[in-house]
Order: sequence, then structure tokens, then C-alpha cells
Amino acid sequence: DQQVKQNSPSLSVQEGRISILNCDYTNSMFDYFLWYKKYPAEGPTFLISISSIKDKNEDGRFTVFLNKSAKHLSLHIVPSQPGDSAVYFCAASKYGGSQGNLIFGKGTKLSVKP
Amino acid sequence: DVKVTQSSRYLVKRTGEKVFLECVQDMDHENMFWYRQDPGLGLRLIYFSYDVKMKEKGDIPEGYSVSREKKERFSLILESASTNQTSMYLCASISSGSHNEQFFGPGTRLTVL
Repeated sequence: DQQVKQNSPSLSVQEGRISILNCDYTNSMFDYFLWYKKYPAEGPTFLISISSIKDKNEDGRFTVFLNKSAKHLSLHIVPSQPGDSAVYFCAASKYGGSQGNLIFGKGTKLSVKP
Repeated sequence: DVKVTQSSRYLVKRTGEKVFLECVQDMDHENMFWYRQDPGLGLRLIYFSYDVKMKEKGDIPEGYSVSREKKERFSLILESASTNQTSMYLCASISSGSHNEQFFGPGTRLTVL
């Protein structure tokens, strides 16, 4: 049973436009959410996170929105740049559960075209 | 900067061989993790460890074992490699009690022929 779902395996966006990556979760015990970015042949790198007590967190061009009632979060990248082309993983964790144990989605491959 | 290193970036082994993948972190993190990444399947947790000599099964432990003899080192062992274990293997670590991001190594691309 997949607890963290990224239903779009790929997304293509024009440079300069907004990229919106979506993630849904099923477990209401999740209280912390993270986005990772992964280039081919490299390990994932942390991008941005959000606690369940917030509904928005912004860091430069990256903003994560959390809708707890819908169990949905999204990552907005504005403006999108060719260097943003990568696979993006959504992840969730439960405090009080296995410390640091993350549940990952399957990833969305973002392509930003010049 | 936190550094997580993995012993090999690319590895080619034959079916039936015993394979060791090593991971070392330099930030005194208590918790370490092994994942595999496959296209369309995302990152799946194989094993994790909260402390030296401690280990817990993840979602897909079959065919794997682990060893944590020292805090900084977490080894993944394929007792008898099979072709369906061809994958990208990723190690990660995090400080205990940290409700924060895991730090990942660069990955090992293992091919089993």
C-alpha cells in the first residue's frame, strides 16, 4: 500500500514558467514532509521541507504548500530553469515512529526546456 | 558539511557472488539507511540501523543483510547476488532525534550479470 504518491511520473515545462509537482499521502500520522532532488548517477539532495503545523514554506524559487485536509502537498518552482531538470521525490515522516525513517514517493521527472 | 561516502560508484558482479557495499558518514550520526532506487519504483528502504550492532528491516529486506560494527560505517551485503538486484543503491544518515532531512551518499550502480 503506497502511503506517499506522486501520480505524475514526468512533467515538462518551459524555461521561465512555473513548475508544479504534486504529492498525495494517505497516512494522517505524517507530520513532516520533504522534497528531494536527484540528478542521474548522484544521490538525492534535500531541497525543502514543511512541518504539518504550517501550510507554506518558501526558500528562494522553491515553495512547498501543504493542504492537510486534502492530504496533499505541492512543490512550486518559479521561475523554472534548465538546471532544475531532475527527478523530484516527495517524502514523509512520522515523529515518534522510526526516527528519521522516511517514506518516499516514486518520483516525478521534471524537464525544463530552454 | 555532512559527508556520506559509498565505496564504489559502479560495480559489476556475477550471479551468485557475495557483494559488499560500504557506506561511511563523518557526522557522528546515529541512524543510517540503505535504499535501492529503480525506475518507476522510487526509493525503497532495505534496512536501517539506529545504533552500532542494531538493525531493522525495511520494506524489501529479502536477499540482503547488513552490518554496523562501527557508528560511522553501515554495510549492505548481498549474500548471493541475483540479476533482480541490479539497481542503484543509496546510503543515507541522520542524527537521532533530528526531524530533518537525511543526507545521502552518491549511490552505487550495481549490475549483476
